[in-house]
Amino acid sequence: DAGVIQSPRHEVTEMGQEVTLRCKPISGHDYLFWYRQTMMRGLELLIYFNNNVPIDDSGMPEDRFSAKMPNASFSTLKIQPSEPRDSAVYFCASSYRFHEQFFGPGTRLTVL
Amino acid sequence: DQQVKQNSPSLSVQEGRISILNCDYTNSMFDYFLWYKKYPAEGPTFLISISSIKDKNEDGRFTVFLNKSAKHLSLHIVPSQPGDSAVYFCAASARAAGNKLTFGGGTRVLVKP
Repeated sequence: DAGVIQSPRHEVTEMGQEVTLRCKPISGHDYLFWYRQTMMRGLELLIYFNNNVPIDDSGMPEDRFSAKMPNASFSTLKIQPSEPRDSAVYFCASSYRFHEQFFGPGTRLTVL
Repeated sequence: DQQVKQNSPSLSVQEGRISILNCDYTNSMFDYFLWYKKYPAEGPTFLISISSIKDKNEDGRFTVFLNKSAKHLSLHIVPSQPGDSAVYFCAASARAAGNKLTFGGGTRVLVKP
C-alpha cells in the first residue's frame, strides 16, 4: 500500500491566488482528516470526513477555506483567496479506526 | 488555550538509555491518548495509545503511562536507539467531543550514539 498520498508536496503562490491541495487516502479507510501545522499553533485539525461526508469543520479558520470529498479515494482542501498567514504544512490523514490515523507526507504551502 | 501541553521542547539522551517524554492535559473529558512520532519532511506516524480505563500500555520498547488524577501521561522508550531521534507528539481525544484529536506541541528527541 502506498499510504496516504498528498500533492503537491510544495506550493508557492502569491497572496490572493487560489490554492488547491489534494489527498488520496488509504484504500478501505472511511475517515479522512485535514490538519494544519504552524509554529504558533502546532498541529490542529481543520475538518474531517466519514464515508465522504463532512462531520466536523469547526477547525476551518475562515470561509476562505473549503474542503470536499467527492469519493472515497479523493479529497481537496481549497484556499481562496490565499493570504501569507495561511503559510503552513497541511497534512491529510486517514483511518479505519477513528484514533489510529495514518498521515500523508504533507504539503508545505508558502503564500508570498 | 492549550489543552494538551508538552513542556519540554527537546530531549537529548544517550543510546541505550531511557527516554522519558511527558505530556499534561487540562480537559478532564479526554478519555483516549496517543503518541505519534514525526521525522522531518514526513507526516506523523502512530506509535502507541492508551485508554483512560488503563494506566499503562506497553508495546515493545515503548510504554505509555497514564495518571488521570494528575492529568499526566508519559512515554518511555527503553532502550533508546539513534533511529528514535524524531519529534514526538502526544494527542488526546474525548468521546463527548466526537473523538477529535488535540495535539501537544511536540518534543524533539535526539539519541546520541
